Amino acid sequence: AQSVTQPDIHITVSEGASLELRCNYSYGATPYLFWYVQSPGQGLQLLLKYFSGDTLVQGIKGFEAEFKRSQSSFNLRKPSVHWSDAAEYFCAALDGGSQGNLIFGKGTKLSVKP
Amino acid sequence: GAGVSQSPRYKVAKRGQDVALRCDPISGHVSLFWYQQALGQGPEFLTYFQNEAQLDKSGLPSDRFFAERPEGSVSTLKIQRTQQEDSAVYLCASSLSTANTEAFFGQGTRLTVV
Repeated sequence: AQSVTQPDIHITVSEGASLELRCNYSYGATPYLFWYVQSPGQGLQLLLKYFSGDTLVQGIKGFEAEFKRSQSSFNLRKPSVHWSDAAEYFCAALDGGSQGNLIFGKGTKLSVKP
Repeated sequence: GAGVSQSPRYKVAKRGQDVALRCDPISGHVSLFWYQQALGQGPEFLTYFQNEAQLDKSGLPSDRFFAERPEGSVSTLKIQRTQQEDSAVYLCASSLSTANTEAFFGQGTRLTVV
């Protein structure tokens, strides 16, 4: 079955430190891949997406992600974390068989230490 | 409004009660999606509309769940005879395109069944 896995449930980093959130997908072909952020009580906000082409994609708020087909990964990175980045982050993939069925990982909660 | 609006934001229902959750998508958005997000989990796809047509309802967990979008704009998700396992946040998203490649999410409705 198609799936998205986020191995880390909770990550804590110091403000100013670099960040990498892991995401692995299980698909036969290259799916469309997304990263969303969800702050408490808020809806999901799209950070970035990958459809094809350049495997390093830039997003909003200084985030980037790299698609690695050989590792079935789409990890999210940020060189310097800000306290306002504390939130829950979801990786998602668009099911090729359905235009609407975004499949989400279980999320990684990011805490930022001052 | 500028974004996707969902109402009510919070709903407490007694087990066995029927509930209706409303979603006002961004004006002009063709596609509308409903997701269910249980506590500590990622969102899970419920159903998808393109204009007034319900193109995919494969994620609806039982026949107690019903969604409609009669005029291709506002959508209602109805849950009949609510059960405790229905407690979750219900997220609505809309997209200008016919696929979920850049969807905007509402803040969700938190349903608690007691």
